[in-house]
Amino acid sequence: EVQLVESGGGLVKPGGSLRLSCTASGFTLANAWMNWFRQAPGKRLEWVGLIKRKIDGERTDYAAPVKGRFSISRDDANNSMYLHMDSLNPEDTAVYYCSTGSAEGYWGQGTLVTVSS
Amino acid sequence: QTVVTQEPSLTVSPGGTVTLTCASSTGAVTSANYPDWIQHKPGQAPRTLIYRTSNRHSWTPARFSGSLLGGKAALTLSGVQPEDEADYYCMLYFGGQIFGGGTKLTVL
Repeated sequence: EVQLVESGGGLVKPGGSLRLSCTASGFTLANAWMNWFRQAPGKRLEWVGLIKRKIDGERTDYAAPVKGRFSISRDDANNSMYLHMDSLNPEDTAVYYCSTGSAEGYWGQGTLVTVSS
Repeated sequence: QTVVTQEPSLTVSPGGTVTLTCASSTGAVTSANYPDWIQHKPGQAPRTLIYRTSNRHSWTPARFSGSLLGGKAALTLSGVQPEDEADYYCMLYFGGQIFGGGTKLTVL
């Protein structure tokens, strides 16, 4: 059974940093482009960014609201992916989900990030 | 900024048929927007039911089908089951992924 498990969420003050992890089981992360999505309370789902496979140069792309503040990396040896978030503000409060590309179609359960003083 | 629009809510009777649609503010939705349909139930992980307009995953029941209809992406459920009650999101590609606001489907 394929599972994606996010971790690392929590409460952080405005201006702070946080690193989220996404670990896969039953699935080889190295074979997939991986995405981060988020959903703020009462808002629609939002794409955060993606990281391509090593053979694609591990290139990354980000949504405009997080560009320059968030970065995505991957550790294929540990079947994991990360979202490093800097300069957090209250608008970043959301449940963060990791997901494979659409063709694989797997999602994690999400981890809650709350940015508040 | 492209806006993607879905019906906020729909109600269908068990065994009935319902079509959810997904429109773009910039014009017709095409296969080049790679429409996906994601089902999300409270307390559960989202799951992609349909990808690239009309492709089902192994876990997607045959009663779910995706298409392009009148310039929109569409998700049709035929023979609706009570367990299909959920939020459904479409996702379109415009150089990055953009979601619709979601349709809350009630089976009543």
